[in-house]
Amino acid sequence: KAGVTQTPRYLIKTRGQQVTLSCSPISGHRSVSWYQQTPGQGLQFLFEYFSETQRNKGNFPGRFSGRQFSNSRSEMNVSTLELGDSALYLCASSSPEGGKAFFGQGTRLTVV
Amino acid sequence: AQSVTQLDSQVPVFEEAPVELRCNYSSSVSVYLFWYVQYPNQGLQLLLKYLSGSTLVKGINGFEAEFNKSQTSFHLRKPSVHISDTAEYFCAVSSTGTASKLTFGTGTRLQVTL
Repeated sequence: KAGVTQTPRYLIKTRGQQVTLSCSPISGHRSVSWYQQTPGQGLQFLFEYFSETQRNKGNFPGRFSGRQFSNSRSEMNVSTLELGDSALYLCASSSPEGGKAFFGQGTRLTVV
Repeated sequence: AQSVTQLDSQVPVFEEAPVELRCNYSSSVSVYLFWYVQYPNQGLQLLLKYLSGSTLVKGINGFEAEFNKSQTSFHLRKPSVHISDTAEYFCAVSSTGTASKLTFGTGTRLQVTL
């Protein structure tokens, strides 16, 4: 079974631009969660989508948004990028019974 | 709301020695508890989880953890570490009944040397 796939692995963007990150969950997993990892703030929950609906949301500004498609693939969008948005963005998909989260390798976003 | 405290930011240990990585949590409701490992430039890999039942949980790579409700702890242990165990270890908690919304600790860097 293929794992969680995140694309791209690396991105460099300029302040003020927007960016879209993609996550393909493990086949059969309907829940996709997004996390931001930075040296200063650690791992922080952004949001979770389940069956195309946002089910949980973390404490991030509205510039961070997401969506999920009918095939469970998810995208995360960050608009008006700031230097502080530089981070490793991790996606996780959860098993149907909900007891395990499997993480992708992440997308390393650098804002210059 | 819940929180996780990992008491040690770094733990140096010699190869073949035992190790314990400490984790305490705070929550007003029942929780699920997890330990994840992260190797450089990689995502997180699940080591083990506690959902219910036996308080001693065995995971992959020889790791185990014990859930202690009275002390609100979930410490990770390994009786004999290997160089390849060098990595960042994260304790996490979920109170939603699933693993889809995790609150992480700040991580413990395990450094294994010869």
